[in-house]
Amino acid sequence: QQPVQSPQAVILREGEDAVINCSSSKALYSVHWYRQKHGEAPVFLMILLKGGEQKGHEKISASFNEKKQQSSLYLTASQLSYSGTYFCGTPQYVGGATNKLIFGTGTLLAVQP
Amino acid sequence: DGGITQSPKYLFRKEGQNVTLSCEQNLNHDAMYWYRQDPGQGLRLIYYSQIVNDFQKGDIAEGYSVSREKKESFPLTVTSAQKNPTAFYLCASSNPLILPGELFFGEGSRLTVL
Repeated sequence: QQPVQSPQAVILREGEDAVINCSSSKALYSVHWYRQKHGEAPVFLMILLKGGEQKGHEKISASFNEKKQQSSLYLTASQLSYSGTYFCGTPQYVGGATNKLIFGTGTLLAVQP
Repeated sequence: DGGITQSPKYLFRKEGQNVTLSCEQNLNHDAMYWYRQDPGQGLRLIYYSQIVNDFQKGDIAEGYSVSREKKESFPLTVTSAQKNPTAFYLCASSNPLILPGELFFGEGSRLTVL
């Protein structure tokens, strides 16, 4: 089942912070985060592993709560370049080492000057 | 440079026609995927392949077909049975031996049915 993201959209001024949440009805072993700019392909940001550390990318960090089956993406002191749609992805293992990745509904982030 | 190449970038089709979208990768990845993206609906998995000559249906496989005859190539055919084919199609690959693998995406193919 598709993970649910919230909020669906957020508008920020440069320098403001934002949090994007991703929750799943199934047990999570890891969570991926991607960012997609309009008309472009999604770009990988980070992976959070069960029992692993909180990972960071520039001023973007994330947390992973296995018990609550949730992950949150934190954008600190947002820049114009952070604008785009953010997707979380949760692997569904289908045998062997395959990570069939199911993406969330997406969160549109717009950073204004 | 290593990466994924999708072609064509834009494609127009008349109703009732089949079209094939190309996806080639030189990353030596075993796993390849096709996703469909519609406005406001995120990315939905059409088909995926773990290895050459093997592929599995994703969540929205009806009206689509794929083949995986070579490790580098994973073409997607949108058949006339697909009721609403106008969408943005993304191909991706990953190395499943590195768990869980990061997905590398192509630039996408935008299909419009006239």
